[in-house]
Order: sequence, then structure tokens, then C-alpha cells
Amino acid sequence: AQSVTQLDSQVPVFEEAPVELRCNYSSSVSVYLFWYVQYPNQGLQLLLKYLSGSTLVKGINGFEAEFNKSQTSFHLRKPSVHISDTAEYFCAVTFSGNTGKLIFGQGTTLQVKP
Amino acid sequence: DAGVTQSPTHLIKTRGQQVTLRCSPKSGHDTVSWYQQALGQGPQFIFQYYEEEERQRGNFPDRFSGHQFPNYSSELNVNALLLGDSALYLCASKPRGSGNTIYFGEGSWLTVV
Repeated sequence: AQSVTQLDSQVPVFEEAPVELRCNYSSSVSVYLFWYVQYPNQGLQLLLKYLSGSTLVKGINGFEAEFNKSQTSFHLRKPSVHISDTAEYFCAVTFSGNTGKLIFGQGTTLQVKP
Repeated sequence: DAGVTQSPTHLIKTRGQQVTLRCSPKSGHDTVSWYQQALGQGPQFIFQYYEEEERQRGNFPDRFSGHQFPNYSSELNVNALLLGDSALYLCASKPRGSGNTIYFGEGSWLTVV
């Protein structure tokens, strides 16, 4: 069965420090991968996506992620975080031939401290 | 260009009651999906509608039903509400054709008391 695992439930980091949020997936078919951000009491906003092509994808707000097929990972990175990046981050996967259904990880809370 | 819009934003219902949530997809999108997000959890897929028919369903009981209208808007209905149905209900839409990116609305917060 397909699944997504976000390896850290909470990631505390100081402002202007780099951060990596880890995501691993399990699938026997080709995948499309996404990172969404959820600010308090709001819906999900798309940060970035990997559909095909270059394995390094850049998104909004200075975030980027790298697709690693051999390690089945799609880790999210930002070189320097801001207080405003404090939010819940969700990794999600959908599958070639069934792109209407997203499977989400449990989420990672990014806490940026001054 | 309006995004995915949902209504109502918040509502409170009593156990045993029924609720209807509404969603208008993003312009140019024809596929609508619904997700349930319990507090502290990732969203869980409920079902997907395309061409006014339910195409896929997640692991949710028959108390959860839906509808899609000719203008692609959608409703989610939940009957015989349980306390455990309290959650954020998210609507998502996908573009017509081969688009693979799913966009979400702001959600409807349902509290069952």
C-alpha cells in the first residue's frame, strides 16, 4: 500500500537558520509529490511540486525540495527561515494513473524562534 | 481568478443531525475532491467527483455522501453526525485534462456537540 511518512512531528529552529523537513514515501508505481503549507486556522497552500524532469524543484517563499527516487524521499529545505514560516507542513503523494487522490503525511510543525 | 471557495467557514451541529458543506472549484477545474482533517492530523481523502459521478472513495462510511452539479460545484453531506466527525473539511479541485496539481480551499470547520 502507498504511504507517506514525515519523519519529524516538530522542528524548532532559530530565525535565519537553515531547515530541512523530511518526507519519505512508499509506492510501487510512479509518483507525483507535493509539499503544502497550512497556517493556523487556514486551508492548504501549495508550496511546490514534483511531476517530472529536474529532481530539484523550487517553490514559493524560498523553499525547495529534492526528489530522490532511490531513497524514496522528497525532503523540503530552506536556507534561511523567517518567523513568518512558522506553520504546519504536509508532504503528499499522488500516483501515475490516479492523480485525483492525495495521500498525506501526518505533518511537521515548523517553529521558528527569534 | 477565484480560487476554491467553500461555505460555510464554521458551523456547530448536534449529534445525530445532518450537515451540508458546499464547494466551488477553481475556474477551469472539473474534478472535485473532499478531505477530512482532524485536529493534529493530515487530511484524509473522503471521495472524488468528476462528471457528476463519484469516481473514488476513501475509507469513510456511507453516512458521508456527495454530489457534483453541472457547473462542477459540489456538496458534501454527512448524516447522523458523531462527535468524531468534528474536523476541518477541505475541498480540492483539479484542472481539466492532464493537470496533476490539486488546489485546496480554506475549509469548513465543523464542530459536533
